[in-house]
Amino acid sequence: GAVVSQHPSRVICKSGTSVKIECRSLDFQATTMFWYRQFPKQSLMLMATSNEGSKATYEQGVEKDKFLINHASLTLSTLTVTSAHPEDSSFYICSAPKEGLMWTSDGTDTQYFGPGTRLTVL
Amino acid sequence: KNQVEQSPQSLIILEGKNCTLQCNYTVSPFSNLRWYKQDTGRGPVSLTIMTFSENTKSNGRYTATLDADTKQSSLHITASQLSDSASYICVVSGGGSYIPTFGRGTSLIVHP
Repeated sequence: GAVVSQHPSRVICKSGTSVKIECRSLDFQATTMFWYRQFPKQSLMLMATSNEGSKATYEQGVEKDKFLINHASLTLSTLTVTSAHPEDSSFYICSAPKEGLMWTSDGTDTQYFGPGTRLTVL
Repeated sequence: KNQVEQSPQSLIILEGKNCTLQCNYTVSPFSNLRWYKQDTGRGPVSLTIMTFSENTKSNGRYTATLDADTKQSSLHITASQLSDSASYICVVSGGGSYIPTFGRGTSLIVHP
């Protein structure tokens, strides 16, 4: 199956610093990628939709100036947590649909998740 | 409001036993329902996908059922193994949005 990677898998940083997380589709091109945040024992919460060559679309309540998203190529999207604070500590997961399809209505699961990045802000 | 509720929140079983996880949803109109397995500290991995016309689908020891009339789904795990210990997430698509609705997951622990 298709593979989506994330880097780093784990990061610890001091409060006030910025952290960049990469999401790559390894064997397919993705014009769209999704960024999620997951707190312990909670479901995945969509933060934003990353669009190659254009601005990201943020979900309600997500600060676009704090969570900077760049989708500079068809295989790479980056999420930068700026001026991180302890409350930003979470598990960040990206997903990418293969062949440009999003969550299709015909049941074909073209959505592939990355392995996640554990961010801890001290 | 589109919602997906899963039960139980957590479950502990002995290796070799069967178990059933439940998912109730209010997403309408319904498009499809997926079950994912998420190991601790990992991204979700798809187990099954069902559309409106399907009421059961199997993937090895995993069998998912869907009742679109009552808006309920279940995931049955047969002959559990230690490696089944994970969080199982129910995800429903539809509701007039391309963004699916995620359940909180059921945490399953399989003891030897």
